[in-house]
Amino acid sequence: DAGITQSPRYKITETGRQVTLMCHQTWSHSYMFWYRQDLGHGLRLIYYSAAADITDKGEVPDGYVVSRSKTENFPLTLESATRSQTSVYFCASMLRPGELFFGEGSRLTVL
Amino acid sequence: QQPVQSPQAVILREGEDAVINCSSSKALYSVHWYRQKHGEAPVFLMILLKGGEQKGHDKISASFNEKKQQSSLYLTASQLSYSGTYFCGTEKSDSWGKLQFGAGTQVVVTP
Repeated sequence: DAGITQSPRYKITETGRQVTLMCHQTWSHSYMFWYRQDLGHGLRLIYYSAAADITDKGEVPDGYVVSRSKTENFPLTLESATRSQTSVYFCASMLRPGELFFGEGSRLTVL
Repeated sequence: QQPVQSPQAVILREGEDAVINCSSSKALYSVHWYRQKHGEAPVFLMILLKGGEQKGHDKISASFNEKKQQSSLYLTASQLSYSGTYFCGTEKSDSWGKLQFGAGTQVVVTP
């Protein structure tokens, strides 16, 4: 089915481990985003990408790394996970100014 | 800086009306509204560009006051399906596509 998919949907890891959250979209949207959602903060932008090989920081990029070698994929890596990175992570895509299409989210717990 | 939403929560009976406000201290290019049901991804409702236009989605409408940098979302004759958390996302003209979201307003519609 067309759309935007995230994996894994749920992940438990330990402090200091590397974790990669995957995001794949089938629409060929140019723009892709990673947000984290925490109670009381709403959605905060971590990184975004305007096209393949073009990425830029959002509001809260520290501790995260992204890459975008292909238009359809936008993985988010936590190089050394910390407890403060326990959150729900949403990937989103946008064709042009307007509607953001969100994936179903990846719930990450760092012990 | 994150836009400020008010109220934080509202409880309505079916058929009642409510207003959710979203204020920013910065000059805005657009305001987006999203609704998120528990455990699901946010879903786009509408976008308002600067110019003070008003838009509607079913019986949900919104306005954007450019002078005050404030947007309001109007829930009219609320239905049970309107329950969820509403987020405004603001976009500046020099940060195209990069939305900053408010903390959200939880809406509960009861029979």
